[in-house]
Amino acid sequence: GEDVEQSLFLSVREGDSSVINCTYTDSSSTYLYWYKQEPGAGLQLLTYIFSNMDMKQDQRLTVLLNKKDKHLSLRIADTQTGDSAIYFCAESINDYKLSFGAGTTVTVRA
Amino acid sequence: ETGVTQTPRHLVMGMTNKKSLKCEQHLGHNAMYWYKQSAKKPLELMFVYNFKEQTENNSVPSRFSPECPNSSHLFLHLHTLQPEDSALYLCASSQDLGLAGLDTQYFGPGTRLTVL
Repeated sequence: GEDVEQSLFLSVREGDSSVINCTYTDSSSTYLYWYKQEPGAGLQLLTYIFSNMDMKQDQRLTVLLNKKDKHLSLRIADTQTGDSAIYFCAESINDYKLSFGAGTTVTVRA
Repeated sequence: ETGVTQTPRHLVMGMTNKKSLKCEQHLGHNAMYWYKQSAKKPLELMFVYNFKEQTENNSVPSRFSPECPNSSHLFLHLHTLQPEDSALYLCASSQDLGLAGLDTQYFGPGTRLTVL
């Protein structure tokens, strides 16, 4: 299957950590991705993780991968108002094709 | 201009109209993609071009007709669309067909299409 599922909404207080969760179905996926979409803009690649890794950290972003449970998460430390956006999880299907989730809308409140 | 640009940013058309969406990438990439983004639904890959050759048509209705005259430009010609075709149409490009590193897909801002 090619279903990627993620919760639709997340509300977080400014300065707190945000955790966005995603489950995928294709155990043969080579790469898993997180994209960010701000209002009126296209998708921006935030980070990706190779399937043989458990964790990847990039400044305020931490990606955790649990291959056994096919679970991917994105943690944003010290969430800022500029982090308000829609976050998409995606898995690789073949050599170039991605399967996306429906997106999680993150709202950062003061 | 840098990155991936799309024009127009917004388009309203009737079901009998013919219109075209344009995508241009200034990244020197060889692969270009069209995606459809409907509200609260996953992105749907529509077409993939690599070195101007179509490599993927994801069962897209014939009322959508892509054209890739060169590696920098991609068009989506629209004809007799339906209201359910209203969506955000995103263009993306990558260095070559692949999944990561240099082959990461870079997206344009999209064209918001409304079909009346």
